[in-house]
Amino acid sequence: DTGVSQDPRHKITKRGQNVTFRCDPISEHNRLYWYRQTLGQGPEFLTYFQNEAQLEKSRLLSDRFSAERPKGSFSTLEIQRTEQGDSAMYLCASSSVGFSNGYTFGSGTRLTVV
Amino acid sequence: AQKITQTQPGMFVQEKEAVTLDCTYDTSDPSYGLFWYKQPSSGEMIFLIYQGSYDQQNATEGRYSLNFQKARKSANLVISASQLGDSAMYFCAMREGIQGGSEKLVFGKGTKLTVNP
Repeated sequence: DTGVSQDPRHKITKRGQNVTFRCDPISEHNRLYWYRQTLGQGPEFLTYFQNEAQLEKSRLLSDRFSAERPKGSFSTLEIQRTEQGDSAMYLCASSSVGFSNGYTFGSGTRLTVV
Repeated sequence: AQKITQTQPGMFVQEKEAVTLDCTYDTSDPSYGLFWYKQPSSGEMIFLIYQGSYDQQNATEGRYSLNFQKARKSANLVISASQLGDSAMYFCAMREGIQGGSEKLVFGKGTKLTVNP
């Protein structure tokens, strides 16, 4: 297993367009998380899945954002009608029960909205 | 109020010396966990060390140790024998309600560590 994989690594889009990011967690991890990191800040929690169920959502996740995890494997994060303020690094992480080993993060998708 | 405060925007250390990165936290939950992550310029968050609120001993992982002072609500990261590859951003994070509560991590703003040769 090569860790948490995110695709694409970079995305440049025009304001108003829709974008979708994909995250493939470590295969034996049943928990998956999305975070957003803007320049000079620490990551901010967006949402959490346990298997296919979305159990927690931040108020940061406006109605333009939607996340899915069909079949409890990979996850997608979609942003509709992108705005310049959506420009950030979108990080995915996964974990198993027993978080003392930490959450394993992917390398992120850097979104630039122009 | 900030849940996690990292007061050092930047720190410099000479190679082979030890360095302490500060972190204070704010919670009323008796059950919580504290994490430190390293973020090199490549962007990936690398887990370093974990301390549970009920752990009696300070956590250690190789050259990393966590100086946990519960009464002061501080969880400082100590890196011994610094290496050039330690140059990165370091983030302190907390998860509250580890016994059945929220799954989210709350991060501080980070400290940029530069190791000089």
